[in-house]
Amino acid sequence: GDSVTQKQGQVTLSEDDFLFINCTYSTTTYPTLLWYVQYPGQGPQLLLKVTTANNKGISRGFEATYDKGTTSFHLQKASVQESDSAVYFCAVYQGGRALIFGTGTTVSVSP
Amino acid sequence: NSKVIQTPRYLVKGQGQKAKMRCIPEKGHPVVFWYQQNKNNEFKFLINFQNQEVLQQIDMTEKRFSAECPSNSPCSLEIQSSEAGDSALYLCASSLRQANTEVFFGKGTRLTVV
Repeated sequence: GDSVTQKQGQVTLSEDDFLFINCTYSTTTYPTLLWYVQYPGQGPQLLLKVTTANNKGISRGFEATYDKGTTSFHLQKASVQESDSAVYFCAVYQGGRALIFGTGTTVSVSP
Repeated sequence: NSKVIQTPRYLVKGQGQKAKMRCIPEKGHPVVFWYQQNKNNEFKFLINFQNQEVLQQIDMTEKRFSAECPSNSPCSLEIQSSEAGDSALYLCASSLRQANTEVFFGKGTRLTVV
């Protein structure tokens, strides 16, 4: 069945550090690739999405890229702030079906 | 900001008790999803609706979970006989269309089964 793998469980950074999170996926058809962010006490919020038609998405300083050859997609930010501390989830979406989430990367940014 | 409203935010039940949680989707969103997020941050899709009709659901043959989205009332998810393994964050989400990546989540109901 379809799946997504997010191996980085925890990332610890200092402010202004570079953030990079990677996910790989396995789907039967071309999916839409998404990144969600979840702050404590909140539900997940959509941060970025990337379709296979355009290989990059940009929002709030974050950039999502996609590598079809390795069926992987990445989230990066050039300079993180303490307010970026949260859990980041990759997810895949195939039309009409439920989202399939990775297991999340907890990002902790110290001032 | 999401306008999906979930109540209650926290729910504590004893094993064997019923646990019921509610969700008001964002206004104008006919598609509603329920997910379970466990302590390991694993998401499990439970069921989704379009208006009052079930679109997809996991195998609920154990029959402990039931859900509905009645007209003009909040959607609900109920566990008939709670078990310790049901302790999790239950997330409701809504969307404008079935085939739409713009899915908006509520803050969830944190169920603890003691």
